[in-house]
Amino acid sequence: NAGVTQTPKFQVLKTGQSMTLQCAQDMNHEYMSWYRQDPGMGLRLIHYSVGAGITDQGEVPNGYNVSRSTTEDFPLRLLSAAPSQTSVYFCASSYSVAVGYTFGSGTRLTVV
Amino acid sequence: AQSVTQPDIHITVSEGASLELRCNYSYGATPYLFWYVQSPGQGLQLLLKYFSGDTLVQGIKGFEAEFKRSQSSFNLRKPSVHWSDAAEYFCAVGARGNKLVFGAGTILRVKS
Repeated sequence: NAGVTQTPKFQVLKTGQSMTLQCAQDMNHEYMSWYRQDPGMGLRLIHYSVGAGITDQGEVPNGYNVSRSTTEDFPLRLLSAAPSQTSVYFCASSYSVAVGYTFGSGTRLTVV
Repeated sequence: AQSVTQPDIHITVSEGASLELRCNYSYGATPYLFWYVQSPGQGLQLLLKYFSGDTLVQGIKGFEAEFKRSQSSFNLRKPSVHWSDAAEYFCAVGARGNKLVFGAGTILRVKS
C-alpha cells in the first residue's frame, strides 16, 4: 500500500523556470491538498480538491496551478518559479477531514 | 476563519520529564482537532485526533490530548519523554471544505 507518493523528492530550479510536482494516492480518497512548509510558519494550504474536476484556492495560491483529472492524481504546477517559492511541499489526501489527512514525504524545492 | 495558535516555538525538556504542548484554536462549530508529528526530513504522521465524545483522547507513542471547549484548547501531553520524541509537533483544525488548517508548530528538544 503506497499511500501518498510525491515526486521528485528534491529539485533545484532557476528563476523563471516552470515545473510540475507530482502527487498520486492509491487510497481512493476524494480530498487532496497541497501545502508548503516554511520555518516558523507551519503548513500553509496552497490549493485543494474535493474530487475529480473540482479544485479551489487555499491560503497561498499565487504562482501555482492545479488540476484534478483523476481521483488518484493531483499535480501542482509552478508556472514561473521565484525564489520566494523555495520551500518544502507536501501533498495530502483524505476521505474525510474527520479522520485526518495522510501526507506524502514531501518535495524540497530550491529556486535560485 | 479557522485558525490555530501554538504559542511555543521551541520547548526543551529532559528525558523522562513530562511534556505539555499548547494549542488554541478558533472555530465556530464543534471542531475536528489533530496533532501531527514531523521528524527531521520526514513527512507528517498523525498522533491523535478528536471530533466527538470523550474529551481526553489517546494517541500513538504514548501521547494524549485533552479538548477543552471553554478554553478553545487541545493541549498535547506525554508523561515521560524519550529522546526519540524530539521532533516538530503541529496542531491542526478541520475546516469547512474538508481542509486542514495548521498551527506554526512547536519544536521539541529532549536533553539527556
